[in-house]
Amino acid sequence: NFMLTQPHSVSESPGKTVTISCTRSSGSIASNYVQWYQQRPGSSPTTVIYEDNRRPSGVPDRFSGSIDSSSNSASLTISGLKTEDEADYYCQSYHINDRVFGGGTKLTVL
Amino acid sequence: QVQLQESGPGLVKPSETLSLTCNVSGASITSFYWSWFRLPPGKGLELIGYIFYTGFTNYHPSLKSRVTISMDTSANQFFLNLTSVTAADTAVYYCARDRNGRHYDYWGRGTLVTVSS
Repeated sequence: NFMLTQPHSVSESPGKTVTISCTRSSGSIASNYVQWYQQRPGSSPTTVIYEDNRRPSGVPDRFSGSIDSSSNSASLTISGLKTEDEADYYCQSYHINDRVFGGGTKLTVL
Repeated sequence: QVQLQESGPGLVKPSETLSLTCNVSGASITSFYWSWFRLPPGKGLELIGYIFYTGFTNYHPSLKSRVTISMDTSANQFFLNLTSVTAADTAVYYCARDRNGRHYDYWGRGTLVTVSS
């Protein structure tokens, strides 16, 4: 199976743009869709990006997803950062019967 | 509107069995996959495993020897059993709907389970 590796933490100021990476250890990142979940303290995870770059209804277009085959990674970009974006973010993918999650990235907006 | 609701004891003694129920409304559990997750304090989200209505299950390798996920299609519920618990199993437990690995689109609110004597 493969692993998804994320930075442990990132921080940025309100109004700025931040990108969180998710690197796949083996196999092509393009082989299976990548999802991104946001989890605020005390709340359930919610989807911010699914199928690499699709946003569920209600998620602002400040959130975008992409994949880069050259680095075998996916990225979540959040522009116009707001304090409410402070949360843990998890990437997720799959292969046949296995579901794989990254370890999570703590985003601090300060 | 699809809703999931976890229920079960909030306190379990070490070496005993943790048992949780996820009640699903607004969708039939005979479609899609149904999963259990947990969030230990200070740690990341962990997928415990999932079940398909055919009875097919898949479990996290580190928990495989202690976990059973089952379902009751007539009650539209699915269940988690985790045996021989220790303090390391203290976590918020979530149930979620899995669209074949492509998207966990609905989640329960989570239930805190503490393992302590």
